[in-house]
Amino acid sequence: QKEVEQNSGPLSVPEGAIASLNCTYSDRGSQSFFWYRQYSGKSPELIMFIYSNGDKEDGRFTAQLNKASQYVSLLIRDSQPSDSATYLCAAGAGNMLTFGGGTRLMVKP
Amino acid sequence: DVKVTQSSRYLVKRTGEKVFLECVQDMDHENMFWYRQDPGLGLRLIYFSYDVKMKEKGDIPEGYSVSREKKERFSLILESASTNQTSMYLCASSLFVAGGAHEQYFGPGTRLTVT
Repeated sequence: QKEVEQNSGPLSVPEGAIASLNCTYSDRGSQSFFWYRQYSGKSPELIMFIYSNGDKEDGRFTAQLNKASQYVSLLIRDSQPSDSATYLCAAGAGNMLTFGGGTRLMVKP
Repeated sequence: DVKVTQSSRYLVKRTGEKVFLECVQDMDHENMFWYRQDPGLGLRLIYFSYDVKMKEKGDIPEGYSVSREKKERFSLILESASTNQTSMYLCASSLFVAGGAHEQYFGPGTRLTVT
């Protein structure tokens, strides 16, 4: 059974701080990793993807991948109240994505 | 931009009715997916399709069927709706890649209530 594990939260951070979201996956055959943001009542939207070990930066977002530890993380710098949402981690293999349960992030003004 | 559309945002049906949920994508993606999302249970895959007329069962196919007659359209059918099928239904599409997985793009979702 392929699994992707996330702490459900809520993770509460003050405005302007760095939010750190973490994810572990069980399938060593996973080759691609994705972070989605989902606002309440809305559908998931893709934020970032990462395929190789190391860091990938896009604006205020940095995705980190460590395949040896089967660990993926998302850092959000200068967190804003508009970043308050549920963040879904997904691991991809065989044209399928396995989603974690999501971490709820709350950014307090 | 990829666009995935779903036929309804909100739908209310009675127990025993046959329900059709339609999904259309405009990016020529080979793969299409149907998920349901429930509080505390996350996203669960119902069915997916990697080509016209091809379908594979996901984790929770019972009580559902699908149809893919055209590449851009993937339909989810609830043969006889039951109250435990009340949920948010999400359609997604992605490009096919050998051995790997591309990002999936989601439609806006259909919130189905079965009374």
